[in-house]
Amino acid sequence: GAGVSQSPSNKVTEKGKDVELRCDPISGHTALYWYRQSLGQGLEFLIYFQGNSAPDKSGLPSDRFSAERTGGSVSTLTIQRTQQEDSAVYLCASSLVASGGPTGELFFGEGSRLTVL
Amino acid sequence: AQSVTQLGSHVSVSEGALVLLRCNYSSSVPPYLFWYVQYPNQGLQLLLKYTTGATLVKGINGFEAEFKKSETSFHLTKPSAHMSDAAEYFCAVRKETSGSRLTFGEGTQLTVNP
Repeated sequence: GAGVSQSPSNKVTEKGKDVELRCDPISGHTALYWYRQSLGQGLEFLIYFQGNSAPDKSGLPSDRFSAERTGGSVSTLTIQRTQQEDSAVYLCASSLVASGGPTGELFFGEGSRLTVL
Repeated sequence: AQSVTQLGSHVSVSEGALVLLRCNYSSSVPPYLFWYVQYPNQGLQLLLKYTTGATLVKGINGFEAEFKKSETSFHLTKPSAHMSDAAEYFCAVRKETSGSRLTFGEGTQLTVNP
């Protein structure tokens, strides 16, 4: 696709349920990032995938959070046993690291808004 | 560790007035610096970036930013605000490591009054 696609755009769930958020990056982009944006706060880094390297999971807030990236393309962020504090907008971004290097631009999706009741 | 501080979570200007959004960073190595803009219900979009070379960087929509190493600052400016500039602006820093994460500031919400 032309841009980073995320689904669902909105998700309302009950406390304790599991949720899956999907990110489809720009074709050919080797790097993929997940960030969380909570009301009144900046963007919190969650996880980063780069090619076949082991992902950088250092930003995941708890073991209830996990993510995978299949075939170097689509990524799924899973939150188990959701809590109310998980309510936020989850943003996915991709970049073309090979040519962009450390200066490469991140292209963001529109985010998935998660509300935990 | 690197971090970014944006002074002022909300800035309000009149249409036609100067826009100044402040960003200071702390980094143990020469950083790469970015400004992103987020319009309502949209993803973030790159405004401009500083990598190496000229310290005054020009971006889209008439914005520019100046990297001042002595002040560890990367403030964003625009000479004349337009109503369409109303959005949230994020400063970000990245270390000199290919593909590593961006660390974002907490954002500044810009309001433009008619």
